[in-house]
Amino acid sequence: EAGVAQSPRYKIIEKRQSVAFWCNPISGHATLYWYQQILGQGPKLLIQFQNNGVVDDSQLPKDRFSAERLKGVDSTLKIQPAKLEDSAVYLCASSSPQTYTGPADTQYFGPGTRLTVL
Amino acid sequence: GDSVTQMEGPVTLSEEAFLTINCTYTATGYPSLFWYVQYPGEGLQLLLKATKADDKGSNKGFEATYRKETTSFHLEKGSVQVSDSAVYFCAHCDNQGGKLIFGQGTELSVKP
Repeated sequence: EAGVAQSPRYKIIEKRQSVAFWCNPISGHATLYWYQQILGQGPKLLIQFQNNGVVDDSQLPKDRFSAERLKGVDSTLKIQPAKLEDSAVYLCASSSPQTYTGPADTQYFGPGTRLTVL
Repeated sequence: GDSVTQMEGPVTLSEEAFLTINCTYTATGYPSLFWYVQYPGEGLQLLLKATKADDKGSNKGFEATYRKETTSFHLEKGSVQVSDSAVYFCAHCDNQGGKLIFGQGTELSVKP
């Protein structure tokens, strides 16, 4: 079974530029998460989708970050304009074969995209 | 608010030594608890989990017991190997929407 795919793996941009990340979850997984992991810290949830609807985006800086999950499969996360403090690894995870069945559902993580903002 | 606190690293051990990484949490209700591991150059992988009080999660020789009374989920292994060198993250999952709340991670380095 293929895992969670993310691209690109690395991205370097200058501040005030825009950037987009792509995630393809495990086939059939209904729930998709985007986490931000700043160096030396644990991942922090940015947004959670259930199929193509948003469940939780309370930690997403909506003035510069946006995310979508068209057709309930792939997802993109965009930053516009980027700031220095956005330098981090952006992790995508997915869970739940059909629908959200409970808090113990294992989340499977992709390899992440390392963003450096200069 | 909800949070997870782990012992600070890096932790350096000799091969075959006993490992403990402390983890405590604050949460409303009774969350599910997890340990994730990140090997060098790889993504986060689930190591073990426990979903209710007194449950013991185990995998690859690692164990952790869900202690409600002390709000803890300490990770242990009786004899570590060089291949266990990685960053270990403790996390809990809220019972509302399923998001994981992570600790800051503990880097483990095992020397031959």
